[in-house]
Amino acid sequence: EMKLLESGGGLVQPGESLRLSCAASGFTFNAYAMSWVRQTPGKGLEWVSGISGSAAGTYYADSVKGRFTIARDNSKSTLYLQMNSLRDDDTAVYYCAKGRDVVVVPDRGLDYWGQGILVTVSS
Amino acid sequence: QSALTQPASVSGSPGQSISISCTGTDSDVGGYRFVSWYQQHPGKAPKLMIYDVSVRPSGVSNRFSGSKSGNTASLTISGLQAEDEAVYYCTSYRSSDILVFGGGTKLTVL
Repeated sequence: EMKLLESGGGLVQPGESLRLSCAASGFTFNAYAMSWVRQTPGKGLEWVSGISGSAAGTYYADSVKGRFTIARDNSKSTLYLQMNSLRDDDTAVYYCAKGRDVVVVPDRGLDYWGQGILVTVSS
Repeated sequence: QSALTQPASVSGSPGQSISISCTGTDSDVGGYRFVSWYQQHPGKAPKLMIYDVSVRPSGVSNRFSGSKSGNTASLTISGLQAEDEAVYYCTSYRSSDILVFGGGTKLTVL
């Protein structure tokens, strides 16, 4: 059974940093691209970042470019999102999601999602 | 404002069919066949229902179907059931932004 389990969320102040992790199991991790998608409370979904199976390709939404860094450790089947210079509008539930292909581009669907982890940025 | 435009809400009675539209531009929905649809129940993660405009992943009911015409994609649910009540999101690949979402459509089963 495929599983994705996010961790590392919490409450931080504006300007601080946080690192999210997503532990994967039940599939060949390095054979698939992975993405982070966030959802603001009561609102819609926003794709944040994606990384190819080999980690050769990384992609970011304009809203986080230069502040967030996506990475993966295929030996540990774990996906990461390093979030720096956090802002109030980064407050959201962050989901890690598995792509259907080894590459991020083009997106052909995210077929497994974690349960999500809440990140709150507030002073 | 979301990149793709969806109606805020739709409703239907059990057994009926409904369609949800997703309107984009030539740069996303109209330019590629990489449209996906997700179902999200309250407090749950999104679930992939359709990818590549009209392909159902294994395990998804054949009551769900997708199509596209020009810059507008559509999700159709036939034989509505109470369990279909959820929020539905469309997505599309866009070369400049990678992946863009619609604002979501709340489906109410009357």
